[in-house]
Amino acid sequence: KNQVEQSPQSLIILEGKNCTLQCNYTVSPFSNLRWYKQDTGRGPVSLTIMTFSENTKSNGRYTATLDADTKQSSLHITASQLSDSASYICVVHDRGSTLGRLYFGRGTQLTVWP
Amino acid sequence: EADIYQTPRYLVIGTGKKITLECSQTMGHDKMYWYQQDPGMELHLIHYSYGVNSTEKGDLSSESTVSRIRTEHFPLTLESARPSHTSQYLCASQPGLAATDTQYFGPGTRLTVL
Repeated sequence: KNQVEQSPQSLIILEGKNCTLQCNYTVSPFSNLRWYKQDTGRGPVSLTIMTFSENTKSNGRYTATLDADTKQSSLHITASQLSDSASYICVVHDRGSTLGRLYFGRGTQLTVWP
Repeated sequence: EADIYQTPRYLVIGTGKKITLECSQTMGHDKMYWYQQDPGMELHLIHYSYGVNSTEKGDLSSESTVSRIRTEHFPLTLESARPSHTSQYLCASQPGLAATDTQYFGPGTRLTVL
């Protein structure tokens, strides 16, 4: 069964600290993996996308890594800010059909305290 | 910020009412989606469209219907709302069919059925 599991479910850190969010998946065959940021009451916004051949991608203070062999990804946030408080969702796209489909994780709820 | 809009943002209605959730995008995207998201849970695809006059059911069984008469407009209708329909509904659009194309999400409609 294709699945996307994220950990931790929730995380509280102090402003300025770094943190790492994890995503494990069983989706196969794999096409790409995205990390989305979803602010409370808003729709998700794409942060990074990585295909099979990429193992790291940065977007400002956000750095995503991908190990396609172990089917694991992480999102590292550097020097956290209050505005980083949000849910971070890992989404895996398969290529098992002509158009593929998306598998969503349940997200990690990050809270940054001052 | 993506040019995709949803109205209303919040809706509280009684059981048995007919409702239509509006979604529009000004980016000329062919692919559009409706997702349902409960707190702390993953997004579930309920409907999608490849373009005008194209509509398909998603993975999650839904009593809603959709239409795609114009490229920019993808409304979702519930003929008779029930408390089990209480959820957040997210609309998204995508510029093309490539697996790496980004899905752009609207802000969502929070529906409560009493």
